[in-house]
Amino acid sequence: DVKVTQSSRYLVKRTGEKVFLECVQDMDHENMFWYRQDPGLGLRLIYFSYDVKMKEKGDIPEGYSVSREKKERFSLILESASTNQTSMYLCASSSPTGEEAFFGQGTRLTVV
Amino acid sequence: AQSVTQLGSHVSVSEGALVLLRCNYSSSVPPYLFWYVQYPNQGLQLLLKYTTGATLVKGINGFEAEFKKSETSFHLTKPSAHMSDAAEYFCAVTHIDSSYKLIFGSGTRLLVRP
Repeated sequence: DVKVTQSSRYLVKRTGEKVFLECVQDMDHENMFWYRQDPGLGLRLIYFSYDVKMKEKGDIPEGYSVSREKKERFSLILESASTNQTSMYLCASSSPTGEEAFFGQGTRLTVV
Repeated sequence: AQSVTQLGSHVSVSEGALVLLRCNYSSSVPPYLFWYVQYPNQGLQLLLKYTTGATLVKGINGFEAEFKKSETSFHLTKPSAHMSDAAEYFCAVTHIDSSYKLIFGSGTRLLVRP
């Protein structure tokens, strides 16, 4: 059973904190993604990685950074959390040809 | 640039009625198209996909979708709605020119009335 695992289902952080969201996949996929999901806006791509140490900005990268030191792990970093980053965050992975993406269960982050 | 438009943020049908969820895309090159479903408090699950070949694709739970290049559409249908179909549905597009990044529509919440 293929898996994308996100380290936390729920997180509450304070404004200004540095926040790490972790994602691990066991499918040896090259591509990994971080999305943000907000009501009425669908999923918006924050960052995309197509290989170890390689990353590409998505549609809404401001306020976020990422790290991919190992193929199976893709981390999303909020350098200084703000209340407008309260959202559901979804991680996904896919093969190089993008024929199917597998998603984690999501992390609901609340910044207070 | 590629984009996806889903018409109707909410669709309500009676149990047993036809389900039709609309998706239009823009892409300058042949796309791969997907429908994903999300149940409450869960991640996304692939319903079906079109990559190449037959334009009518069948997915899980009795859903199907037809790729119509001339209309740039990929509408999702199911002949008879079931209560368990109530969920949010997302259409997505990707292609080689975008390094296979998945771009999603804004989603359609399907409500099924008894």
